[in-house]
Formats: sequence, C-alpha cells, structure tokens
Amino acid sequence: GENVEQHPSTLSVQEGDSAVIKCTYSDSASNYFPWYKQELGKRPQLIIDIRSNVGEKKDQRIAVTLNKTAKHFSLHITETQPEDSAVYFCAASGSNYQLIWGAGTKLIIKP
Amino acid sequence: GAGVSQSPRYKVAKRGQDVALRCDPISGHVSLFWYQQALGQGPEFLTYFQNEAQLDKSGLPSDRFFAERPEGSVSTLKIQRTQQEDSAVYLCASSPGTGGLETQYFGPGTRLLVL
Repeated sequence: GENVEQHPSTLSVQEGDSAVIKCTYSDSASNYFPWYKQELGKRPQLIIDIRSNVGEKKDQRIAVTLNKTAKHFSLHITETQPEDSAVYFCAASGSNYQLIWGAGTKLIIKP
Repeated sequence: GAGVSQSPRYKVAKRGQDVALRCDPISGHVSLFWYQQALGQGPEFLTYFQNEAQLDKSGLPSDRFFAERPEGSVSTLKIQRTQQEDSAVYLCASSPGTGGLETQYFGPGTRLLVL
C-alpha cells in the first residue's frame, strides 16, 4: 500500500524567510497530492494541492512542486509570517480515494 | 455555506462503554471519509462511503468499530467496548463527487478520551 514520508518533523525559520517541507511517496499510481495546515485543536485546512499532470503550482506565497519520477513533492512558503505557524501535513491519494498522510511538520516562525 | 460538522466535539468514556460519533457532511457531497488522528500524528484512514454504500472499511482497527451512512448523508461511527488505545481525534471529511482528485473538506473532529 501507499506510504508517505515527510521531513522535517520540526522546522524553525525566521519571520520573512522561506520554509520548505518535503514528502516522498511509494505508490506510483498516486495522482493527487494535497497539503493541509492544522492549527492546534482545529480541523485540517487545505492550503494547496497538485495533480499528477502538473509539475508546479503557486498560490501567492505558497507553492508546491511535484516530481513523479522521483516520487516526491514539496511545499514552499515564502516571506513567512507569524500566522504561518502550524502543523503542515502532506498527503497522497491511495486506493478508493482515501488520503495517506505524512506524519506532519511543525512550523515555527520566529519573530 | 455550512461546512462539515461533527458531534460531540469532546467525549469522555469509561473503558468498555460504547460511543457513537456523528458526522454531518456538506450538503450534497457524495463521498464521506472517517479518519483517526492520534496525538502528534497525521490522520489515518478508517473507512469510506459513496452515498450510502460503504466501499472501503479496510482501515477500521477492529470489529469493535462500525460505521454507517444509511441515507447517504449523515454518518455515524460507533465504537463498542471502548479501550484506552481508542483515545484519539476522529475526523470526518466529505467531497463533492466520486473522483479521486477532489478536495476533501474536514470537520472539526471529535476528541475521544477513554479512561
């Protein structure tokens, strides 16, 4: 079955700097890769997603890149702000449309 | 419009007690998912419904876990004879159709604590 690995588990960056979170997946049939942001005690919120026919997608300060050959995808956040502090999860589509999730990255933005 | 809602938000159960967790998906959404999220971990898939049909229950950890969606809208996840290892946040998500490339919208979760 699908397995998703996410790194790093914790990332601390200075406000205004960029943050990069990386994920790898095992099932070459996966074709949908969303990123969710989860603040403490709250529901996961989709921030960006990419489908397998696209290599890169950008939405303001957030971008995701996908390398299907290498089976990895990354989240890039530029000009980080205090409100970006949260846990970020990557996921990959599995069988029957379920999502297989990474273990999460705790992003800390230092003022 | 209204998002996915879940109730109760918090549930404390004594070991051995049965619990029922409710999910109200976004109106008209065909697909409904249940996930279990342990503290400090990513959500793990439990089960998937397409309308009233439960198409995948491969993630249910034991036969103490049962889910239903009898009219293709509201869903209930039932856990019988709860154990301490069942303590987690139970998340429900829905998506509009049956496509695997669709966004899943999550509810706020039910935090279950089994004492």
